[in-house]
Amino acid sequence: DAGITQSPRHKVTETGTPVTLRCHQTENHRYMYWYRQDPGHGLRLIHYSYGVKDTDKGEVSDGYSVSRSKTEDFLLTLESATSSQTSVYFCAIKDSNQPQHFGDGTRLSIL
Amino acid sequence: AQSVTQLDSQVPVFEEAPVELRCNYSSSVSVYLFWYVQYPNQGLQLLLKYLSGSTLVKGINGFEAEFNKSQTSFHLRKPSVHISDTAEYFCAVSDFGGGSNYKLTFGKGTLLTVNP
Repeated sequence: DAGITQSPRHKVTETGTPVTLRCHQTENHRYMYWYRQDPGHGLRLIHYSYGVKDTDKGEVSDGYSVSRSKTEDFLLTLESATSSQTSVYFCAIKDSNQPQHFGDGTRLSIL
Repeated sequence: AQSVTQLDSQVPVFEEAPVELRCNYSSSVSVYLFWYVQYPNQGLQLLLKYLSGSTLVKGINGFEAEFNKSQTSFHLRKPSVHISDTAEYFCAVSDFGGGSNYKLTFGKGTLLTVNP
């Protein structure tokens, strides 16, 4: 999608391994968000960022960490992946005067 | 804390029929309201938003929604649906203003299936 790229788009890994998902934007937006989408739950906020090095927890942050060392990149890390973290992960970006704009998602399977 | 309830998890309709997808929210403060659509294997796309002003909001693809503050509702409507409207629809709310960092709370989604 224009302005926001998630990588990888698909990943299969094993329980206990570390995993890092990347969200890259070219819009210079201040706000960035990580959500997970699971059937019957809609989208739930994991972590968000309101500036470089400024991050905070969302509704379902346990088992996840994030980093934002520059405006354009927001990384989501699963330190030791578990099967319950199998999900589709979406990144979103936002400018103050615009709604959140979503990436195409990363489908993560943990075996 | 906010919450969003989408009252129907699945809505099947026939092509060219009208449809209403229902959304209720709860919040202790004023809110912004949104409807997003997700086509199969894609990300979320904004359909429409209510920030302030007229309570009837028009969006893309012929959809509209009406904000009802007394009923705390934001129902989505379309007078005549097409096969291509088959998708999952999400209602979302965020606090008014930037103090909450514009975090969104989503409903669980409504799967709209349009049959020929």
